Amino acid sequence: DSGVTQTPKHLITATGQRVTLRCSPRSGDLSVYWYQQSLDQGLQFLIQYYNGEERAKGNILERFSAQQFPDLHSELNLSSLELGDSALYFCASSGRQGRDEKLFFGSGTQLSVL
Amino acid sequence: SQKIEQNSEALNIQEGKTATLTCNYTNYSPAYLQWYRQDPGRGPVFLLLIRENEKEKRKERLKVTFDTTLKQSLFHITASQPADSATYLCALARSGGYQKVTFGIGTKLQVIP
Repeated sequence: DSGVTQTPKHLITATGQRVTLRCSPRSGDLSVYWYQQSLDQGLQFLIQYYNGEERAKGNILERFSAQQFPDLHSELNLSSLELGDSALYFCASSGRQGRDEKLFFGSGTQLSVL
Repeated sequence: SQKIEQNSEALNIQEGKTATLTCNYTNYSPAYLQWYRQDPGRGPVFLLLIRENEKEKRKERLKVTFDTTLKQSLFHITASQPADSATYLCALARSGGYQKVTFGIGTKLQVIP
């Protein structure tokens, strides 16, 4: 058990809808990372937060947004969903700020857009 | 653009042999490189980290090398076991504070009994 909790584990929705994925980092970790994994793309970095502030951004679509709350949990919001958004979404956390940090991953949220 | 290349084809190896996985990168100056293991439907699990000024790192049956001139890392599993069967991902990050950790697509290893 990595200590990172993601909910829900599975999400099935329709095109055009909006969903929210939730992540609770390991106790004491200040950084949260979001990744998208599809079969042909591998793990794609979306965004990183550190102690409530956005620190790094990847190829995150404008339809996607995220935030980290004062209690350090994070949410990833996906809107106007398309079929191609179907993927496994992982959250990861780490402790220190940007120094040789190993990531601890949650078990992911499997999103299916029908 | 930055690119991380791992052999996306599966690697099949006989139990007891040494498995060697390769990670090459271009247009990148990583401060450190990490290797993760991922089982189907699960999140990646950290295995080893090696810094840019280190040539080799070992942990039990695992060994990783890092050649910044060749822009390559090799990941070795000695005395491989069927339980080592998984997908192995390399990940790179720059130094200097906040940065994204970029992953390769991974290599699937199958250890045959």
